[in-house]
Amino acid sequence: SQKIEQNSEALNIQEGKTATLTCNYTNYSPAYLQWYRQDPGRGPVFLLLIRENEKEKRKERLKVTFDTTLKQSLFHITASQPADSATYLCALDITGGGNKLTFGTGTQLKVEL
Amino acid sequence: GAVVSQHPSWVICKSGTSVKIECRSLDFQATTMFWYRQFPKQSLMLMATSNEGSKATYEQGVEKDKFLINHASLTLSTLTVTSAHPEDSSFYICSARIFRVTSGGNGEQYFGPGTRLTVT
Repeated sequence: SQKIEQNSEALNIQEGKTATLTCNYTNYSPAYLQWYRQDPGRGPVFLLLIRENEKEKRKERLKVTFDTTLKQSLFHITASQPADSATYLCALDITGGGNKLTFGTGTQLKVEL
Repeated sequence: GAVVSQHPSWVICKSGTSVKIECRSLDFQATTMFWYRQFPKQSLMLMATSNEGSKATYEQGVEKDKFLINHASLTLSTLTVTSAHPEDSSFYICSARIFRVTSGGNGEQYFGPGTRLTVT
């Protein structure tokens, strides 16, 4: 079955450093992959979408890479700030039709002063 | 743009009663909305896909008679948890997908703030 794995352990980094989060998947070749941010008690907020034919996508301090051979996406936050502390979720459309997203369990990021 | 609202943000109800949760797209029309459930420390699990003007499509293992979905207009979908039990206590989140033709399709989803349901 399709599995989407994110590091379940929290990631603690120092302010100003680059945070790198990993999303690995198996048994599928998604047309695109998405990253979301979720704060406690809130719904997820869309951050970035990267398509299978794109190697890298950037948005301000965020960068996402997508390696369809390794079946892996990396999510980077440069010059991290305490306000970046949240849980980050990756999501795939496993149906190929753009209608259903399957989410990873998320990685909690904590940026310390 | 692309704001999705939910109401109520939290609700406490007694076992055996029914609870209705509303999901609205405030500044766009959504022909398709999605309902998710999230338990503590777990990821979002898709419950059903809500289609305007037609019946919802439920995921395997989700009881359609217990979780009634109505998508009466292009901006409103409702989820009713019928005969709620303590095990239904969870965080319910709706989302709407934006389909951008110019970008080749398969758009991102915009989520509501969620509804915390507690059944006592």
